[in-house]
Order: sequence, then structure tokens, then C-alpha cells
Amino acid sequence: NAGVMQNPRHLVRRRGQEARLRCSPMKGHSHVYWYRQLPEEGLKFMVYLQKENIIDESGMPKERFSAEFPKEGPSILRIQQVVRGDSAAYFCASSPRWDGEEKLFFGSGTQLSVL
Amino acid sequence: GENVEQHPSTLSVQEGDSAVIKCTYSDSASNYFPWYKQELGKRPQLIIDIRSNVGEKKDQRIAVTLNKTAKHFSLHITETQPEDSAVYFCAARSGGYQKVTFGIGTKLQVIP
Repeated sequence: NAGVMQNPRHLVRRRGQEARLRCSPMKGHSHVYWYRQLPEEGLKFMVYLQKENIIDESGMPKERFSAEFPKEGPSILRIQQVVRGDSAAYFCASSPRWDGEEKLFFGSGTQLSVL
Repeated sequence: GENVEQHPSTLSVQEGDSAVIKCTYSDSASNYFPWYKQELGKRPQLIIDIRSNVGEKKDQRIAVTLNKTAKHFSLHITETQPEDSAVYFCAARSGGYQKVTFGIGTKLQVIP
């Protein structure tokens, strides 16, 4: 089991460009969570998705940010027109189901740097 | 929503001593409390967790205690080693799915 895979590990974008972050959950996991970590801060929940559905996006900014988890392929976190304040580590986590009996497993994260 | 407070923000201990990190949570409906260890530049890794129907759990040198009445839970590391140096996050889950709210983290330094 390869674990939760995120790519790229590092992403550099100029202000105004788009950033696409990918997350492949662990095999057998159909629930994906995205978290953002600013320097010297904790992990902030952004969005929770199941296959083809957004369940909770209460932590995601309403503008410029979107997330999807298609039937086939990885989950994508998309940030349009990036600004310097978007610079952070973005972590994806997955679990096999929602009922709380299973633990969250994190990927290695994508470090986004906005120039 | 849930709010998790964690302290101290930094902690230095001599190798072999114990380390204690404390957290409080706000949502009385929270029922699951994981602890994660994050080394520099790496992913958060689950080290121990406790559910609301248990007061204490131990795994070798690591133990966690939970006081539901006070909405307080703690991580105890005994016989600390240099490789325990990392940032430790407490978290609490409320709601029907794995949306966990994290504390701000404690940077633990174990001095050889």
C-alpha cells in the first residue's frame, strides 16, 4: 500500500497564476480531506470530499479555491489567481469511511510558494 | 464549531525526562482525540488516539489521558529521547465524520 500520494511536493507560482494540487488516497479509501498549514501554525481544515461529492467545504475560501474528487483519478485542489498569502503547505488525508472508526492518514504535502 | 487550545507552544526537556502537552476543546460532542507528530518537512503521523469512552490509553512510552468533564486531554511522553524532538499536534473530532480540528502545535526539543 503506497499510502496517500500528493504531487507535486513543491510548487512555485507567480501571483495571478493557477495552482493545481493532486492527492491520490490510499487504496480502498473513498474519503479525502484537505488541510492547509501556514508556517508555525497548526493544520486548518479546508474541505472534505467523497467520490464525486463535496461534503463539507466550510474551511475553504469562497473565492479562487475549488476542490473535486472525480469518480476516476485523484482529488484536485485548485487555487486560481494565487496571491502571496496562499503560500503554505497543503496536506491531503484519507480514510476508508466516515463513521470515525478509522484513522486519518496524511500525505507528504505540497509546499506552495507564490512569488 | 470546535476550538482546540494547546499549550505549551514550545517545550524543552533533558533526555530521559518526561514531557507533558495539554489541550482543551470546546465542543462537548467531540468524541475522538488523536495526537500527531510532525517532523520538519514531513507529514503528520498519528502516534496515539483516544475515544471519549476511555479515560486513559498507553502505548509504550506514550500515554494520553482524557477528562470529558473538564474537556481536557493530555499527552505524556516518558523517558524522552532525541528522536522524540518534533512538533506535536492534538486534535478533536466532532460530527459524524473525520473532520478533526487541530491545536496549534507544541514544538518539543529533547536535549541530549
